[in-house]
Amino acid sequence: DAKTTQPNSMESNEEEPVHLPCNHSTISGTDYIHWYRQLPSQGPEYVIHGLTSNVNNRMASLAIAEDRKSSTLILHRATLRDAAVYYCILGGAQKLVFGQGTRLTINP
Amino acid sequence: EPEVTQTPSHQVTQMGQEVILRCVPISNHLYFYWYRQILGQKVEFLVSFYNNEISEKSEIFDDQFSVERPDGSNFTLKIRSTKLEDSAMYFCASRPGDGPYEQYFGPGTRLTVT
Repeated sequence: DAKTTQPNSMESNEEEPVHLPCNHSTISGTDYIHWYRQLPSQGPEYVIHGLTSNVNNRMASLAIAEDRKSSTLILHRATLRDAAVYYCILGGAQKLVFGQGTRLTINP
Repeated sequence: EPEVTQTPSHQVTQMGQEVILRCVPISNHLYFYWYRQILGQKVEFLVSFYNNEISEKSEIFDDQFSVERPDGSNFTLKIRSTKLEDSAMYFCASRPGDGPYEQYFGPGTRLTVT
């Protein structure tokens, strides 16, 4: 399974944008980039995924580097509810291999 | 919005006992998964299930574990003889079909083995 590297923790303020980075230098051509998050005491929750092009949905945006060796999850206007552990996961359609993720703290 | 449900939310059992964790995946989904998360650790893949058979399993998923889809709606994880180290949150997930579709996770069952 291709490996991802994320910062252990990040902090931001409410109503400000948040950029969560992920490095994946060994990504293969068929690997999708998935982002999930886990709110306290809950199961993981899908956020967004992409292959090559930048993607937007109602929760977030995903910016993928041209060489695909890194990506950034963008929360446009963080709320307290966005405080969670965010996981960047590579792969296709099957199992998800979770790393330690980035623990995002949002300050009021 | 459809969601994955899991029962019970918390199960306490004694070492050596059998437990069955139950999940109801989203109704039109075809792929089903179990993951677990030991307190303070990563979420770990256990097993994936498609077309009424296991499609992949991890090293954790040994002979003590089994999965079943006994009817058109339930998906169960059985642990035959629980050990203390089986204490964890167990998450069920489901996915619609082929392709990189998102997995939808349930709220989890907290299993405590004493």
